[in-house]
Amino acid sequence: ILNVEQSPQSLHVQEGDSTNFTCSFPSSNFYALHWYRWETAKSPEALFVMTLNGDEKKKGRISATLNTKEGYSYLYIKGSQPEDSATYLCAFEVREYGNKLVFGAGTILRVKS
Amino acid sequence: NAGVTQTPKFRVLKTGQSMTLLCAQDMNHEYMYWYRQDPGMGLRLIHYSVGEGTTAKGEVPDGYNVSRLKKQNFLLGLESAAPSQTSVYFCASSYSRTGGRETQYFGPGTRLLVL
Repeated sequence: ILNVEQSPQSLHVQEGDSTNFTCSFPSSNFYALHWYRWETAKSPEALFVMTLNGDEKKKGRISATLNTKEGYSYLYIKGSQPEDSATYLCAFEVREYGNKLVFGAGTILRVKS
Repeated sequence: NAGVTQTPKFRVLKTGQSMTLLCAQDMNHEYMYWYRQDPGMGLRLIHYSVGEGTTAKGEVPDGYNVSRLKKQNFLLGLESAAPSQTSVYFCASSYSRTGGRETQYFGPGTRLLVL
């Protein structure tokens, strides 16, 4: 059974703080790792698709790194803003089941102004 | 370009009733998926389709059926709803002609409450 773990479960930070979350996944048979940002009552929005060990991706103030050998990815947010408040999901892509995504339970971020 | 849309947004059913959830995408994507999301858990795959006229079971298919008669639509049916099917249902699609490693685009979700 594939297990994708995200930590912490939730996080409350002040505006301007930088923060990071962890996604842990199986290190064998790695294919791809996806990060999504999900605001309540909206569609999950894709942030990154990461495929190579050592990958670093950046989108504005959000960046992510990937270590496939040890099975983890970090998502960083620099200078958090209230609009960054959302649930951040990571998902491990597997080649079976039509390239399905196995999701972690998410990290809930709340940024106070 | 609407992306992925889902109908309805919210529904209340009584145990034993049936219903169909509709997912539509206008991006000409080959692959479509139905996931369910329950509190404290990650999204779990119910059924998926790799092209028009094809469907396959995911991780948690029991109690659900699907059809993909047209490329742009993917229907999820509940034949006899049970309280355990109370959940938020998400549809997603991806291009996937290159064999994966592509973004899945999600709809806004359908909240279903079964009493």
